[in-house]
Amino acid sequence: QVQLQQWGAGLLKPSETLSLTCGVYGGSFNDYYWTWIRQPPGKGLEWIGEINHSGRVNYNPSLESRVTISVDTSKNQFSLNLTSVTAADTAVYYCARSTAVLLQKWGQGTLVTVSS
Amino acid sequence: DIVMTQSPDSLAVSLGERATINCKSSQSVLYSSNNKNFLSWYQQKPGQPPKLLIYWASTRESGVPDRFSGSGSGTDFTLTISSLQAEDVAVYYCQQYYISPLTFGGGTKIEIK
Repeated sequence: QVQLQQWGAGLLKPSETLSLTCGVYGGSFNDYYWTWIRQPPGKGLEWIGEINHSGRVNYNPSLESRVTISVDTSKNQFSLNLTSVTAADTAVYYCARSTAVLLQKWGQGTLVTVSS
Repeated sequence: DIVMTQSPDSLAVSLGERATINCKSSQSVLYSSNNKNFLSWYQQKPGQPPKLLIYWASTRESGVPDRFSGSGSGTDFTLTISSLQAEDVAVYYCQQYYISPLTFGGGTKIEIK
């Protein structure tokens, strides 16, 4: 049974870079796309982007200029970097496994707060 | 981007009664070559990540109780809980995966009356 475990800094100052990593434990890593989604407190869900094992990425155009998603197949991990954060980037960030674009497995979520 | 609009924003339903949530997409998510609607529904309970309930607009994910059903085609979709249970209290989201970026509706909160 696959498990996704995510980690990273939870408190950032404006203009800093958000960095999160998601580890995939159990199951195949190469057969899926790996996705990041975020959810501002009390609000809805926003798809950030995805990556596959070979490094092919798709980003949300609304964030594309600031986002980098990368993969480390040797560790079955993928990561999210978001540069120049502002208070508007405060959210719970989720990693997820995508099966034919269906988000079937999710990480536990990481609250990232941007505050001076 | 395809805009997903859900209604109502919240809904209070008595235990055992039917709950109905609507979702409308700004353009059709029906792929004509395979006649499938690229529309899914997720359930999110407080403090938890979303959980996939339904995909292809009407196919239940494995393990999802059959009181949950999805219907609709093109731009108009419905999630129905036939007999509301206490454990169904959650926020429900529709999502389109027809075109990138994937987009979600604003959510509908289901509460017990």
